[in-house]
Amino acid sequence: KQEVTQIPAALSVPEGENLVLNCSFTDSAIYNLQWFRQDPGKGLTSLLLIQSSQREQTSGRLNASLDKSSGRSTLYIAASQPGDSATYLCAVRPGSNDYKLSFGAGTTVTVRA
Amino acid sequence: DVKVTQSSRYLVKRTGEKVFLECVQDMDHENMFWYRQDPGLGLRLIYFSYDVKMKEKGDIPEGYSVSREKKERFSLILESASTNQTSMYLCASRPDTTRSAFFGQGTRLTVV
Repeated sequence: KQEVTQIPAALSVPEGENLVLNCSFTDSAIYNLQWFRQDPGKGLTSLLLIQSSQREQTSGRLNASLDKSSGRSTLYIAASQPGDSATYLCAVRPGSNDYKLSFGAGTTVTVRA
Repeated sequence: DVKVTQSSRYLVKRTGEKVFLECVQDMDHENMFWYRQDPGLGLRLIYFSYDVKMKEKGDIPEGYSVSREKKERFSLILESASTNQTSMYLCASRPDTTRSAFFGQGTRLTVV
């Protein structure tokens, strides 16, 4: 069974610092990996989707990398802002015939002004 | 923009009641999902549907059932609500298996 881990559970940084969020998964045979953002009491907003054949995806200040062989993905957020404060979750789709997403527990980020 | 709408943001129900949580998506997506989210446990899949009238159990289906009579609507049913079903419930949809999933705003259900 695929296990997805996000460490640390919480992170606090001053405004302007770059954020590095980690996601690890136990089975490297994944189909794709997705990063989400969740604001308190709200649903999830999709940030980036990386297919298994890709090494990274970029959107504005966000960059996500994928290293399947080591079972890791990293989300980089450049020049953090207080509005980036949220919980960030990664989710792995195990295989092409598997409809499910396996989620990590998330990293809660606080960006201090 | 894709819109996934859950019928209620907050719901309070009594133990033993039958509870319906509704989810509607407006983008003709094939796949739809119901998750619950609890502190320290993350998101856990309850049920999913890959097409109309098709459903599959997720990781924690006990105490729940689902209905997908139309493509745009996926309903989660708590047959007899219990206090351990107090949680945040999240609905998601996806066009197909290769593309991003989109989530609704969540329903915070409290069973008293």
